[in-house]
Amino acid sequence: SQQGEEDPQALSIQEGENATMNCSYKTSINNLQWYRQNSGRGLVHLILIRSNEREKHSGRLRVTLDTSKKSSSLLITASRAADTASYFCARPDSGSARQLTFGSGTQLTVLP
Amino acid sequence: GAGVSQSPSNKVTEKGKDVELRCDPISGHTALYWYRQSLGQGLEFLIYFQGNSAPDKSGLPSDRFSAERTGGSVSTLTIQRTQQEDSAVYLCASSLLGLDYNEQFFGPGTRLTVL
Repeated sequence: SQQGEEDPQALSIQEGENATMNCSYKTSINNLQWYRQNSGRGLVHLILIRSNEREKHSGRLRVTLDTSKKSSSLLITASRAADTASYFCARPDSGSARQLTFGSGTQLTVLP
Repeated sequence: GAGVSQSPSNKVTEKGKDVELRCDPISGHTALYWYRQSLGQGLEFLIYFQGNSAPDKSGLPSDRFSAERTGGSVSTLTIQRTQQEDSAVYLCASSLLGLDYNEQFFGPGTRLTVL
């Protein structure tokens, strides 16, 4: 079952603007990961933030984590049309498989 | 090196037929995962292989679904007597050790359509 929920479900912005997506989860985590998916196919790992980290940067991406609120946010600065994709947060399952449990995703559209 | 590859990229089948989906993980990755993604949804875990250990099948939705991994490398997901609700994109991922901080590398997926 999906344990993470992203909001908004859909976001449309103009090129150059910043995009913020939020993720909430219900159980304790060791880390939280963000993935991007283009056109409903393979996912690409963007960034991993550990439970003892509050903020992490990678290029134009900034991820924050608030374990007290069980929430994370992904900020894309100076967005480009190529950033148009679905973005998912995912957390490793606590079971032995360590499979990722994904949220339902945010569909980001960046208009040129 | 090459990433995770999957075949076929698209599969259209008739209800009741069996299908086989293939995944070639990244060489050297011991952990392999199968996920399913229905239209507009997040990913649903199906099955996990780690080295030579018995697979974790806890996510398989019914006994019509099975998977094997030969020689610790290539994996095949088999769906018997397909139903229309099996229509989805089936994604395979591999990671180096299967630890929870290991990045999972995803293949492009197989889009299955059951008519």
